[in-house]
Parts: sequence; structure tokens; C-alpha cells
Amino acid sequence: AQSVTQLDSQVPVFEEAPVELRCNYSSSVSVYLFWYVQYPNQGLQLLLKYLSGSTLVKGINGFEAEFNKSQTSFHLRKPSVHISDTAEYFCAVSEIQGAQKLVFGQGTRLTINP
Amino acid sequence: NAGVTQTPKFQVLKTGQSMTLQCAQDMNHNSMYWYRQDPGMGLRLIYYSASEGTTDKGEVPNGYNVSRLNKREFSLRLESAAPSQTSVYFCASSEATSPLYGYTFGSGTRLTVV
Repeated sequence: AQSVTQLDSQVPVFEEAPVELRCNYSSSVSVYLFWYVQYPNQGLQLLLKYLSGSTLVKGINGFEAEFNKSQTSFHLRKPSVHISDTAEYFCAVSEIQGAQKLVFGQGTRLTINP
Repeated sequence: NAGVTQTPKFQVLKTGQSMTLQCAQDMNHNSMYWYRQDPGMGLRLIYYSASEGTTDKGEVPNGYNVSRLNKREFSLRLESAAPSQTSVYFCASSEATSPLYGYTFGSGTRLTVV
């Protein structure tokens, strides 16, 4: 079975600073990888996904993530954050074969300070 | 707006009471899911329905039952609520069980059991 570990539960950064949210996964088979964002009092929205091909994936709102198979990581980055990026971010994994259900990490709360 | 609608948004129950959380989607999706979200634990799958007429257990099904009433509606029932079921519950839907199609989430039901 697959699992996901988000290494930071909270990340505070200043506005316009770069940010990296870390995600590591574990699986014995090939996987798809996702980042979802949850703004306050809302449901989750898909930010970006890695299916195959280029290891650098670009998503909405200027976010990007890089798939590193050897390190089993899928870290999320943004070069310059805005107040509106304040949210909780979830990394998720799904096996390519088999049940294909999403397994979520514990979440990282990103707080942007002015 | 098209999407996933959950009712109610907030609920307080006494231990031992029962209630049903309602979920409806208008995107003609085949698959529907119920997750619970707890601090520091991310989202955990309770039950899912791959298609109308089928339901399957997820990671944490104990204490819950579900009904796929039709293609649009997927309800979650707590027969005898316990304080451990205090959580935020999210319903989601997708075109098929593969997350490649993207999950659309509702805005959640915040349940407190006292």
C-alpha cells in the first residue's frame, strides 16, 4: 500500500518570498502524484498532478512541483508567494494499477505574513 | 454552479444520536467518495461508490454506513454517534475511480459529537 508524508505541518513565510512544501511518498509500484489546496472553509481543489513525462509539473497560481523518483519526493514550490496563497496544502498519491484511490498526506498549513 | 453540494454545513450531536450527511453532485460523475479530515491526519477515506449501485469500504469505515441513492446522491449515516467521530466530512466525486479524472470536493460538513 502507498503512503504519503508531508514533512512540515506548518510553514510561515513572508510575502514575496519563495516557498517549498515537502512531500515524500512510499509505494512498491508506480504512482501518480497530486497536490491539492484547501482555502479556509472550503473544499479541496486540484493544484497540479504528475502522471508521466517531464518531472517538472506546473500548476495553477504559479505553483510547480518536481517529481524525483530516486528520492521518492514530490516537493511543491513557488518563487514568490502572496497573501492569497494562505491555505492548507495536501500531497496525495495513487497507484497506477489496482484500486487507484487517492491517499492523502497530513497537510501543510502555509501562512503568509505581510 | 455545478459541483458537489453537502448538507448540513454544521451539526452538533449528542453521543448515541444518529444522523445522515447528504451529498449530491450535478456533473454526471460515476464515482463518489466520503472522507473525514482530522487535524494532523489529512483526509482519510471512509467509503466510496465506484458507480451507481455499488459501495465499498475505505480506510476508516467503522461506525458508518453509506447509501448510493442514485447517480447523483451519496449519503453517509452515523447510526450511533461517538465523540471520536467529531471531524470535518468531505464528499467528493469523479468521472471514474481513477484520480486521473480529478476529484471535485464539496465544502464540507463540520460535525461535533458531545
